[in-house]
Amino acid sequence: QVQLQESGPGLVKPSGTLSLTCAVSGGSISSSNWWSWVRQPPGKGLEWIGEIYHSGSTNYNPSLKSRVTISVDKSKNQFSLKLSSVTAADTAVYYCARVPYFGVVIINAFDIWGQGTMVTVSS
Amino acid sequence: DIVMTQSPDSLAVSLGERATINCKSSQSVLYSSNNKNYLAWYQQKPGQPPKLLIYWASTRESGVPDRFSGSGSGTDFTLTISSLQAEDVAVYYCQQYYSTPYMYTFGQGTKLEIK
Repeated sequence: QVQLQESGPGLVKPSGTLSLTCAVSGGSISSSNWWSWVRQPPGKGLEWIGEIYHSGSTNYNPSLKSRVTISVDKSKNQFSLKLSSVTAADTAVYYCARVPYFGVVIINAFDIWGQGTMVTVSS
Repeated sequence: DIVMTQSPDSLAVSLGERATINCKSSQSVLYSSNNKNYLAWYQQKPGQPPKLLIYWASTRESGVPDRFSGSGSGTDFTLTISSLQAEDVAVYYCQQYYSTPYMYTFGQGTKLEIK
């Protein structure tokens, strides 16, 4: 059973860069899945940040694209998120999640999620 | 921007009764190439990540009880819980995928409680 685990600093200073990693266990990151980041501000709804395929292909939320970089490290079976120029509005629980293929058709939904990690932007 | 609007924002239903949550998209999520609606439903309990219940508007994820069902096409969708159980208390989100621009968007959530 594939499991995802987020890790990274829980506190980031304003104007700094938020960096998180998602470790994939129980399966290979090189399998036919897209690997995503989703965030949830305290008490609010969900926002998709972006995704990556093991080939390195990426898709980003247009509203965050200028500040987001998602990368993959196949040797460590993990993928990472960098969000630059952060402000208090970036304070949220950050989740990594999987978008799988059903046969040859992508389901375009998130079927496995990490437990999430809280990141606070504050000086 | 594509907007997903859920209704109601909150809902109180008696145990054993039917619960219905609606989701409306500002643009169609039906793809004529494969006749699939890219609309999913999630359940989120406090302190937990969301759990996928339904994808392709009506396909139940493996292990999800059959009291959960999804319906609809194009821009209007519904999640139905046929007989509410205590463990169904949660916030429910719809989510759509749109290819141009490439984007996943979630509804604002519906809080389901026991009456």
